This record gives sequence, C-alpha cells and structure tokens, in this order.
Amino acid sequence: DADVTQTPRNRITKTGKRIMLECSQTKGHDRMYWYRQDPGLGLQLIYYSFDVKDINKGEISDGYSVSRQAQAKFSLSLESAIPNQTALYFCASASSGGRGTGELFFGEGSRLTVL
Amino acid sequence: QKEVEQDPGPLSVPEGAIVSLNCTYSNSAFQYFMWYRQYSRKGPELLMYTYSSGNKEDGRFTAQVDKSSKYISLFIRDSQPSDSATYLCAMTPYSGNTGKLIFGQGTTLQVKP
Repeated sequence: DADVTQTPRNRITKTGKRIMLECSQTKGHDRMYWYRQDPGLGLQLIYYSFDVKDINKGEISDGYSVSRQAQAKFSLSLESAIPNQTALYFCASASSGGRGTGELFFGEGSRLTVL
Repeated sequence: QKEVEQDPGPLSVPEGAIVSLNCTYSNSAFQYFMWYRQYSRKGPELLMYTYSSGNKEDGRFTAQVDKSSKYISLFIRDSQPSDSATYLCAMTPYSGNTGKLIFGQGTTLQVKP
C-alpha cells in the first residue's frame, strides 16, 4: 500500500460544484501539503500544514480551502469549481525531524477535470 | 519571469548517453537544491539533494550547483531506459523540511534502447 494515499484518483465535475480531495499518510509525518501541477508550470504550493492546528496558505490558495482532520489526514476543497482549476493535484508529507533534505513524500495524484 | 526556469524538453537520447538537465533561478536566497524524478502517472520522488554550491555524486547521477551563476545541473551517466521520466528541479531558502519548495517546470526525458 502507498504511504501517501489520495482519493479520488480521477474526478470529472461541472462548474460550480463543490469538490473534496482527500489525503491520508501512514508515515507518521507531522507536515502535509497540497500542490497543483499544470503542464509547463511545474508544481505550485496551494496550502501546507505543519501540524493539526497550523495551516498556512501557499502560492495559489485562492479558490481553495483545506482541513487537517488528524495528523494523518489533510483534505483539499474547491467550494465552487471553475474550469481553470482543472489540473493534477498532489498531496505530500514530510517530517520536521528529518535530515532537512527537503524530502517530500508525494501521493500518486488526483486528476481533476472541471467542465 | 519565473523564479526557477527549466527547459521542458522533451529530451530524447539513446541508451548509454550522458544526459545534462539544467535549471536557472533568480532568487539569490535559495540555498537548498533538489532534483525530483517523476514517472508517468506517479508522484515525484526525491533523487538528489545539495546544499549551497558544489557537486554531489550518487551512482550514475551527479548534481551540480553554481550559486554565482544561479545555475544547477543534473548529470546522468550511462543513461538507461528506466531513467525515462520527468525531472523537476526544486529549491528553497529555508532549512529543514519546510516543504516550501519552488519547482521548475520539469524536463521530460526519454532514453531509447
């Protein structure tokens, strides 16, 4: 089983719908992240959380919200989806007690299409 | 202008070739430099990590950082078809696992048998 699990893996929805992407990790990490990947743009940070009570906006948080339900769970919501939110979304986790190498452990991605 | 620029490719080479992947950046505060590898339909995984300027070697892979030129490179020797993937450079001014990385656009590499 994957250490970082994202659901759903694929989702097609319509403009205006509310969408939630869920992420859980079994690595015991305290830090979790949501990134968005678009062709030609690389990965952009949406939100990050250093622990259950600490949630921070990333580079592109407008139109998104998050919830850290437990240390192992971090969900991303699109309250009213729009077509330019069509992208591949990655959840990642990291340990604050690691070697400081910047190693993030990514899930396999959730592909979202907004029509 | 993006903080980190990376040629998206695609780059196609024959098996056994030496591959050079590069990124340039504009923020002189970046101190920690990483290369992630992403196979098709998978999440990225850390391949190499380097702090400040210099070289780091790991098997067939060498990461090089030139802070004076704001330029980083990843060299792959004796490339294999299994090296076919997208390679993303990433960097940050922050120590530790903050996760606040700035990624390049990624270069797609294909190694042909």
